[in-house]
Amino acid sequence: LAKTTQPISMDSYEGQEVNITCSHNNIATNDYITWYQQFPSQGPRFIIQGYKTKVTNEVASLFIPADRKSSTLSLPRVSLSDTAVYYCLVGGLNYGGSQGNLIFGKGTKLSVKP
Amino acid sequence: NAGVTQTPKFRVLKTGQSMTLLCAQDMNHEYMYWYRQDPGMGLRLIHYSVGEGTTAKGEVPDGYNVSRLKKQNFLLGLESAAPSQTSVYFCASGDSLAKNIQYFGAGTRLSVL
Repeated sequence: LAKTTQPISMDSYEGQEVNITCSHNNIATNDYITWYQQFPSQGPRFIIQGYKTKVTNEVASLFIPADRKSSTLSLPRVSLSDTAVYYCLVGGLNYGGSQGNLIFGKGTKLSVKP
Repeated sequence: NAGVTQTPKFRVLKTGQSMTLLCAQDMNHEYMYWYRQDPGMGLRLIHYSVGEGTTAKGEVPDGYNVSRLKKQNFLLGLESAAPSQTSVYFCASGDSLAKNIQYFGAGTRLSVL
């Protein structure tokens, strides 16, 4: 299984760029890297997904080095509303229909201060 | 655009009672999932389905049963509730096996006394 390791918590201030790194040494060739955001009392929300190099959307950027053993979620100019838990998920259901790597882990609790 | 809808939002049970949680999605997704989330923990997969009429066990399936009689619905049942099943339950759906982007419901908060 592609186990992921993230920092338990991070603090930042409004307007700063935040980078959250996820380690996944055992990532498989077919695995995508997906990040989710979860606010209190809500379900997780998809933020961004990538396979290699860099991906950018209107919310965040995802940097993946060539060896794919880690990935970094970058949130530009965070605001108070970005305070949430961020989960890195690697892989998913396998083609044989088995559970595969559907393991969310505890995530990174980001606290943005004014 | 409702997405993934879970009912009920809250429920209190006594030990030994049974109940069914309903998940409905209107995105025509093949894959559906049930997770539980305990305080300070990540999500743990209970059961999942790769299509209508199919179900499979996840990481923590004991004490739960599921059914997927219709593509849009995924039911999670507790036959005899126990205090250890007090948790927040999330349902999700997705349309790609490879990319596995999941869309989550708002959750059901269950307390078993």
